[in-house]
Amino acid sequence: QKEVEQDPGPLSVPEGAIVSLNCTYSNSAFQYFMWYRQYSRKGPELLMYTYSSGNKEDGRFTAQVDKSSKYISLFIRDSQPSDSATYLCASRTGANNLFFGTGTRLTVIP
Amino acid sequence: KAGVTQTPRYLIKTRGQQVTLSCSPISGHRSVSWYQQTPGQGLQFLFEYFSETQRNKGNFPGRFSGRQFSNSRSEMNVSTLELGDSALYLCASTQNSGRNEQFFGPGTRLTVL
Repeated sequence: QKEVEQDPGPLSVPEGAIVSLNCTYSNSAFQYFMWYRQYSRKGPELLMYTYSSGNKEDGRFTAQVDKSSKYISLFIRDSQPSDSATYLCASRTGANNLFFGTGTRLTVIP
Repeated sequence: KAGVTQTPRYLIKTRGQQVTLSCSPISGHRSVSWYQQTPGQGLQFLFEYFSETQRNKGNFPGRFSGRQFSNSRSEMNVSTLELGDSALYLCASTQNSGRNEQFFGPGTRLTVL
């Protein structure tokens, strides 16, 4: 079993839709939770960073972590064609090695 | 501030050969981590170097090795290449203060024939 599981999609939504991306994890020692966005032929870029449980909002993006159910979510409001990319959830303990989900490919249709 | 740079961007090798990939972290960052990305397994941690010492290691065979120089630049080496080593190899640079965010380079696309 992978440490972090992610629905691979792909996911296709119309412009303006609300997107929900989800991951689950198995390691109770994970304390830090991240969402990365990866465009084709590029490295991942950090979108959201959360420590422990709770919500974090940044513009159109909201990250949620529920440590009791080991569930990580990313919501994108008013999705734009420029949001089309692969979204990767990641977790870590206090060490720097990240455990990634396999990624969900999102396409936002104009 | 310049981002993480990786060279070369693309590489084609044949089975049995060895390869060396290079990563220059963001100026002032002392930690460099390497990841392998494949369609089937996603991103998997290879190893982390901090101040020229390997601090953490993932679950990869000994054919995968790395090192870090005094200027924080890092190299990874893969010996006796196998077809399954074809992947995007990503380097991440960490500030090691505050949130310890990892900033990724564009990767080196390795194809093993």
